[in-house]
Amino acid sequence: GQQVQQSPSSLVLQEGENAELQCNFSSTATQLQWFYQSPGGSLVSLLSNPSGTKHTGRLTSTTVTKERRSSLHISSSQTTDSGTYLCAIDRGTNAYKVIFGKGTHLHVLP
Amino acid sequence: NAGVIQTPRHKVTGKGQEATLWCEPISGHSAVFWYRQTIVQGLEFLTYFRNQAPIDDSGMPKERFSAQMPNQSHSTLKIQSTQPQDSAVYLCASSLGAGGGAEQFFGPGTRLTVL
Repeated sequence: GQQVQQSPSSLVLQEGENAELQCNFSSTATQLQWFYQSPGGSLVSLLSNPSGTKHTGRLTSTTVTKERRSSLHISSSQTTDSGTYLCAIDRGTNAYKVIFGKGTHLHVLP
Repeated sequence: NAGVIQTPRHKVTGKGQEATLWCEPISGHSAVFWYRQTIVQGLEFLTYFRNQAPIDDSGMPKERFSAQMPNQSHSTLKIQSTQPQDSAVYLCASSLGAGGGAEQFFGPGTRLTVL
């Protein structure tokens, strides 16, 4: 079945450093979303990016569909960026079935 | 736009008791999804409604779990005879459509603890 692998599983940065999060998936997807989840909090959609490059604020996502990978770049990290970043894709033929990766746990130190 | 609303935010039940979780999707969204999140398994799809009709419940445990959507403004997830392994955060999401890449919007979740 469809799988989503995220790396690294955890990341510790000093405030101001950049972060690069990776997402690889096992078969084609028609939708890819990056989510943020604060500790004990709800999921917040950051970017919807099934292909190409998208920017919002300090976030840049690049998805290369034919290589089945996506990245999320966080520039000038802040302590408030700490939390879990989840990559999610649909399952293609049953496109409503979103499959999530296990996430990257980011901790930004002051 | 209040977003997806889930109640209660926290629920504690004793083993064997029933738990009912509520979800109010974003107005105008025709698709509603339920997920379960645990540390071990991560986020897992449970079930999906489109225009209130159940479309796919393949992620639901066949026993004890049921979901309904009696009207377009709310959906419920019921767990009968709760067990400790049911402890998780249950998330509801809605989207304008389904398939073809519709973006899903999530509620804050209900944290269920079964003692």
